[in-house]
Amino acid sequence: EIVLTQSPGTLSLSPGERATLSCRASQSVSSSYLAWYQQKPGQAPRLLIYGASSRATGIPDRFSGSGSGTDFTLTISRLEPEDFAVYYCQQYGSSRELTFGGGTKVEIK
Amino acid sequence: QLQLQESGPGLVKPSETLSLTCTVSGGSISSSSYYWGWIRQPPGKGLEWIGSIYYSGSTYYNPSLKSRVTISVDTSKNQFSLKLSSVTAADTAVYYCARQVKYSSKLDYWGQGTLVTVSS
Repeated sequence: EIVLTQSPGTLSLSPGERATLSCRASQSVSSSYLAWYQQKPGQAPRLLIYGASSRATGIPDRFSGSGSGTDFTLTISRLEPEDFAVYYCQQYGSSRELTFGGGTKVEIK
Repeated sequence: QLQLQESGPGLVKPSETLSLTCTVSGGSISSSSYYWGWIRQPPGKGLEWIGSIYYSGSTYYNPSLKSRVTISVDTSKNQFSLKLSSVTAADTAVYYCARQVKYSSKLDYWGQGTLVTVSS
């Protein structure tokens, strides 16, 4: 079973700053099968990035994903007030299982 | 616009079986392009995939829950369901249903979630 470890646990930043979130896998993950989600309090998660770097429909271009193998990154180029939320990475495995990382909370500094 | 809606009891007693249904509207559950999945989130914690089902009835479960989980589909009603047996307080969570693009990590449509509390 692949374990996804996200860091940092919490990121304290100001609006307008750049956010860099990390997701590290215990084994190599196909880039095609790595996704990122945003979750705000009381809401369901929302798909942001799939295939490690493709933005989902309607996602602003300030969100970008990169990485390969065991190291993946979600970058928010300039934080908007609505971007303060929890972010999860997720992978789809060879046995068709889905695994989520523990999440990174981006909070207002 | 595709919509998913979870329904079921909000309170379940320990050792009993949790049962939830997800009703899909605005699209067909019989599409060959998607799986339909259940994900849960304990209060204040992260997301955990429970399992997924294809319209044909093929199922894929989280190994850590497999012995207690059954997911089924009713294409005539455009619904799929979750049963989790022998529940404990650790199963208290918000339960989400979602659409998963086949052979992909993409969970592109989610229900709003429903809180299920396990308590006597």
